[in-house]
Amino acid sequence: AQSVTQLGSHVSVSEGALVLLRCNYSSSVPPYLFWYVQYPNQGLQLLLKYTSAATLVKGINGFEAEFKKSETSFHLTKPSAHMRDAAEYFCAVSGGVGGGFKTIFGAGTRLFVKA
Amino acid sequence: NAGVTQTPKFQVLKTGQSMTLQCAQDMNHNSMYWYRQDPGMGLRLIYYSASEGTTDKGEVPNGYNVSRLNKREFSLRLESAAPSQTSVYFCASSEGGGDYNEQFFGPGTRLTVL
Repeated sequence: AQSVTQLGSHVSVSEGALVLLRCNYSSSVPPYLFWYVQYPNQGLQLLLKYTSAATLVKGINGFEAEFKKSETSFHLTKPSAHMRDAAEYFCAVSGGVGGGFKTIFGAGTRLFVKA
Repeated sequence: NAGVTQTPKFQVLKTGQSMTLQCAQDMNHNSMYWYRQDPGMGLRLIYYSASEGTTDKGEVPNGYNVSRLNKREFSLRLESAAPSQTSVYFCASSEGGGDYNEQFFGPGTRLTVL
């Protein structure tokens, strides 16, 4: 069975500081991994996805994530936080039995950005 | 393109009432999904439709029914609402059910059951 763990339900950073949101996954097959962002009162939208083409994945708005198989991690980073990055971020995994229909979402990490 | 649209945006029901949440997508996607989002629990899959004419249960289907009306539309029905169904409901679609396919989400419906 697949699972996703996001470490930290809330993360607070200062504007201009490094953003690091942690995600660890469990999968018995090579996974496909996603990061989605949810702005207040909106649906989720894709930030980036890992599909085995490259371990370092670049997404929108300056975010990137690195797939580390040995650590079963897919942490999301951004070198310099901006106020507009304040949102909730979800890590998700799919693959194996059920495929994309069984995409598993993490519980989410809310990012606060202080001026 | 409007993407994925949902109606209504907000709804308040009394226990035992019924309602249908509507969802439509204009991206010619094959697969559609219904999720509920509760604080601290992420998104949980209620039902999905791999393609027009098929529907399957997800993680939390009890108390819900769905209809894939055509390729564009996928509705979610609560026959007898309960307070435990208070949540934010999201509809999503994807090109297919492939592991690598991203999902596109609607803006959500906030449902309160009193």
